[in-house]
Amino acid sequence: AQSVTQLDSQVPVFEEAPVELRCNYSSSVSVYLFWYVQYPNQGLQLLLKYLSGSTLVKGINGFEAEFNKSQTSFHLRKPSVHISDTAEYFCAVKSNYQLIWGAGTKLIIKP
Amino acid sequence: DSGVTQTPKHLITATGQRVTLRCSPRSGDLSVYWYQQSLDQGLQFLIQYYNGEERAKGNILERFSAQQFPDLHSELNLSSLELGDSALYFCASSGQVGSGELFFGEGSRLTVL
Repeated sequence: AQSVTQLDSQVPVFEEAPVELRCNYSSSVSVYLFWYVQYPNQGLQLLLKYLSGSTLVKGINGFEAEFNKSQTSFHLRKPSVHISDTAEYFCAVKSNYQLIWGAGTKLIIKP
Repeated sequence: DSGVTQTPKHLITATGQRVTLRCSPRSGDLSVYWYQQSLDQGLQFLIQYYNGEERAKGNILERFSAQQFPDLHSELNLSSLELGDSALYFCASSGQVGSGELFFGEGSRLTVL
């Protein structure tokens, strides 16, 4: 069965610094990968997705993620974070028409 | 605004009681998903419906049940409530089965006292 591991439960970072949120999945023949974001007191929304093609995927709000098949990773990056990026970020992989979710990573922006 | 509407936004009730949470999916979406989010368990998939039929079941307790009606809205019924059922309950909808792209409502926060 597929599984998703988000290695960090919290990532503190200074405002305007770069950030990387890590996500690893168990290997499979083909994978569809997703990052969702949950802002405080809101539901989740899709940040970006990888279905096929270019391994570098760009999403909303300046985020991007890179699919690395050999390392079974799909890390999320942003070159410069803002206070408004404070949220919880969830990585997910599609398996048999269902999404398998990671435990989430809280991004904490320090002023 | 995702287009998914959940009511009520907040609910406080006592142990042993029963509550019903309601979800209206985005216009045209046939799939509805229910999730539970709590501090200790994280985001847990409960159940999925597609066009009125149960499609997949996750970690849903026997005390919980759901259904999707002909107008595609869905209800999640939670009975014999326990303190541990206190959580955020999210509904999500999807237009394309298996696409992985879900649209979430803002959730119903249930507090069991």
